[in-house]
Amino acid sequence: NAGVMQNPRHLVRRRGQEARLRCSPMKGHSHVYWYRQLPEEGLKFMVYLQKENIIDESGMPKERFSAEFPKEGPSILRIQQVVRGDSAAYFCASSPGQEPYEQYFGPGTRLTVT
Amino acid sequence: GEDVEQSLFLSVREGDSSVINCTYTDSSSTYLYWYKQEPGAGLQLLTYIFSNMDMKQDQRLTVLLNKKDKHLSLRIADTQTGDSAIYFCACSADSNYQLIWGAGTKLIIKP
Repeated sequence: NAGVMQNPRHLVRRRGQEARLRCSPMKGHSHVYWYRQLPEEGLKFMVYLQKENIIDESGMPKERFSAEFPKEGPSILRIQQVVRGDSAAYFCASSPGQEPYEQYFGPGTRLTVT
Repeated sequence: GEDVEQSLFLSVREGDSSVINCTYTDSSSTYLYWYKQEPGAGLQLLTYIFSNMDMKQDQRLTVLLNKKDKHLSLRIADTQTGDSAIYFCACSADSNYQLIWGAGTKLIIKP
């Protein structure tokens, strides 16, 4: 059973471009969580999705950020018109249910905005 | 809001015990976690403890929870070079699926 997959591992974008981060959950997992980690800080919750539904997006900025988890395919975190402050590591986790101790993390995508 | 704090660095000699400490503010946290992050890798769940427990032991790992002081610690016995990593403390928020994270403690092993 492959773990949580994230791609790309590293992404460089110029200011104003769009960034698309992908997360493929573990097989059998229908819950996906996105977190952001700024340098020398802990992870910050962004959004929680189930298949085709956003359950909780309270940690996600209202503008420029969106997330989806379609019926087929990976979950996508999309950042439009990136700014330097978006530079961070973005981690995805998946779980089979809502119990957080079952959250398995991917290796993260490191986004650098130049 | 809720906060989790831990010191940024800990240096220990190989073979000694490492004790990584964490304090949190949300007394209603149900689950408290320790994660390990090796360079370039994702976060690996090491262990977790329910808030109604005081201690949990798993091989070389011992977790102690002091609810009164809102203090959590992770003890690694017989620390090895492979234990070099950043260790994150995390607590569940009201929703239980939202985790509140500390900034991580970098464990440095001296030969």
